[in-house]
Amino acid sequence: EPEVTQTPSHQVTQMGQEVILRCVPISNHLYFYWYRQILGQKVEFLVSFYNNEISEKSEIFDDQFSVERPDGSNFTLKIRSTKLEDSAMYFCASKGTSSGANVLTFGAGSRLTVL
Amino acid sequence: AQSVTQLGSHVSVSEGALVLLRCNYSSSVPPYLFWYVQYPNQGLQLLLKYTSAATLVKGINGFEAEFKKSETSFHLTKPSAHMRDAAEYFCAVDAGGTSYGKLTFGQGTILTVHP
Repeated sequence: EPEVTQTPSHQVTQMGQEVILRCVPISNHLYFYWYRQILGQKVEFLVSFYNNEISEKSEIFDDQFSVERPDGSNFTLKIRSTKLEDSAMYFCASKGTSSGANVLTFGAGSRLTVL
Repeated sequence: AQSVTQLGSHVSVSEGALVLLRCNYSSSVPPYLFWYVQYPNQGLQLLLKYTSAATLVKGINGFEAEFKKSETSFHLTKPSAHMRDAAEYFCAVDAGGTSYGKLTFGQGTILTVHP
């Protein structure tokens, strides 16, 4: 079954460093998303991306964050100047456009720890 | 705006017993509702979805959920729990319209199954 692949599975970084989290969505999907889950809290929407641009972003997704689809397969989340409160599990998801496709397929997540 | 409330952050049942995980939602539009399951160190896997067709929805692994508009509920049930059902379960509502794929999650319910 097709799956969404995320790397790295776990990254530890120092406060103030830049981090790039990578995702390979399902190959024929056109909608891409990032969600995050801070330990003990709800999974929350960060951003959606379609046709090479951001469709919607939450209030969390400020100038510290950016997304990019640098080639035909990868979808990245960049976090500049990381803060302690950025420590979380980050989930990538993708969605197709065919009938019955209103379903997101999630990756296994990338756990970010900021020290 | 949408919101989801899952009653009970932890539910414990005996193997073979009924599983009932509660979810109430709030939505300004007819909702698309989902249940996802997360096994340890894995991503969010779709269990089932409600998309305005039949109100009783059957999913994978013997789970089902019933959409009750009058009660704004979408509770998840399984007649007989198995040890492999131990996981965290998330109820989610889709914002719909131009925000398809923007999910609002509940806080999750950890299901423990004991022999």
